[in-house]
Amino acid sequence: SAVISQKPSRDICQRGTSLTIQCQVDSQVTMMFWYRQQPGQSLTLIATANQGSEATYESGFVIDKFPISRPNLTFSTLTVSNMSPEDSSIYLCSVGHREAFFGQGTRLTVV
Amino acid sequence: KQEVTQIPAALSVPEGENLVLNCSFTDSAIYNLQWFRQDPGKGLTSLLLIQSSQREQTSGRLNASLDKSSGRSTLYIAASQPGDSATYLCASDGIQGAQKLVFGQGTRLTINP
Repeated sequence: SAVISQKPSRDICQRGTSLTIQCQVDSQVTMMFWYRQQPGQSLTLIATANQGSEATYESGFVIDKFPISRPNLTFSTLTVSNMSPEDSSIYLCSVGHREAFFGQGTRLTVV
Repeated sequence: KQEVTQIPAALSVPEGENLVLNCSFTDSAIYNLQWFRQDPGKGLTSLLLIQSSQREQTSGRLNASLDKSSGRSTLYIAASQPGDSATYLCASDGIQGAQKLVFGQGTRLTINP
C-alpha cells in the first residue's frame, strides 16, 4: 500500500485566483494521477503525471487550466488556475500500479 | 469508451442485514475492478481489488465478485453495521498498468441502528 498526503485539505478561494495542491507519497512511484470530484458526482481523471515528462491530460482538461508539476518520484502538484465557482470540487491524487490508493483529497470552494 | 454504472444509487437498511451492491461495466476488456469506500467530504479507501483473472476477493465481512462475460461485479456486505454507512464506488481500468480508472456514480449506503 501507499500513504498519500495532500495539502491543503480544504480551501475557500476568490474567483480569478489560483490554488496549488500538493501530493506527497511515502514511496517512489512512476505515475501519479489527479482526479476531480464535482459536487454529487463521481470521480473524473484530469491527468496523469510522469516524472521527467509533461503530464498527459484527459479530454476536457487542458494544461493552461490545470498545470501539473512532477519534480521527483514522490511528489506532484496540481494548480487550478483562474478559478470560477464551477471549479468547486474535491481534487484527489492517486498512485498505484494495480491497486489504486488515494489521498484524502482537497475540498475547494470558489466564491 | 468504458462506462460504469452502479445500482442502486442509494440504499438504507437496518443494522445486521446482509446486502449486495451492484456494478456493471460496458467493456469486458478490463484489467482490474476495484471497490472503494468514501466517507462524506473525504478521500477514497480501497476495499477490494479483483484482477481480471480472478472471480472474487474477500476481506472480513466484504466479498466482491467479478463476472467479466456479463460485465458485472457485486459487493456483498455481511452483517451490516452503522459504521458501514458511506458511499461505495466501483471503478475499472482497461489497460494493464495504466490505472486510468473509470468510476461508477456510487451507492450511498445508510445502515440504521
